[in-house]
Amino acid sequence: QVQLVESGGGVVQPGRSLRSLRLSCAASEFTFNSYGMHWVRQAPGKGLEWVALIWYDGTNKYYADSVKGRFTISRDNSKNTLYLEMNSPRADDTAVYYCAKDRCSGGSCYQFDYWGQGTLVTVSS
Amino acid sequence: QSALTQPASVSGSPGQSITISCTGTSSDVGSYNLVSWYQQHPGKAPKLMIYEVSKRPSGLSNRFSGSKSGNTASLTISGLQTEDEADYYCCSYVGSGAVFGGGTKLTVL
Repeated sequence: QVQLVESGGGVVQPGRSLRSLRLSCAASEFTFNSYGMHWVRQAPGKGLEWVALIWYDGTNKYYADSVKGRFTISRDNSKNTLYLEMNSPRADDTAVYYCAKDRCSGGSCYQFDYWGQGTLVTVSS
Repeated sequence: QSALTQPASVSGSPGQSITISCTGTSSDVGSYNLVSWYQQHPGKAPKLMIYEVSKRPSGLSNRFSGSKSGNTASLTISGLQTEDEADYYCCSYVGSGAVFGGGTKLTVL
């Protein structure tokens, strides 16, 4: 059964460029290097928000306008691991961050067939 | 990328059918058949229920069905069961990104 396990959440101070947080998502039980991977977040008590996509081979990356220029998605196919680096965090970045597998192999069809359990990021001083 | 529009809540009795609408624009729902629906129980991760407007993942109950007309997609749940009580989100491709609806809380009375 496909497994996605996020880690790295915690409390980070807002706005300071030297402060960043890196989330990880360990994947197993599927051919990781064949699928695009996404980050989706959910602020407390709010709805889902798509954050970023990285193609199966890492060649293409796409971001929501709300995080463009501040967050970086990456992957290490040798380790079956997805990452999200969060720089210059803001209070409105506080959310549970889920990694999600794209349903389609190769590029992306922006449909998420497996999700991790999520990791909570709190941006607060 | 504005969120897709869903009703905040719907309700139904066991055995009844309900439909949740998801209204977008000609730039998202109206232009692509990449509409999906997710079920989320409190404190849990979302679960894919419908993809490509009307297709069900393997093993999912055929009580769940999807459709689309113009800029509006719909999720129908027939034969409501108590375990269907959850939040439901639609999602559409929107050109190098995805946009979700605000979510609909389904209450099974």
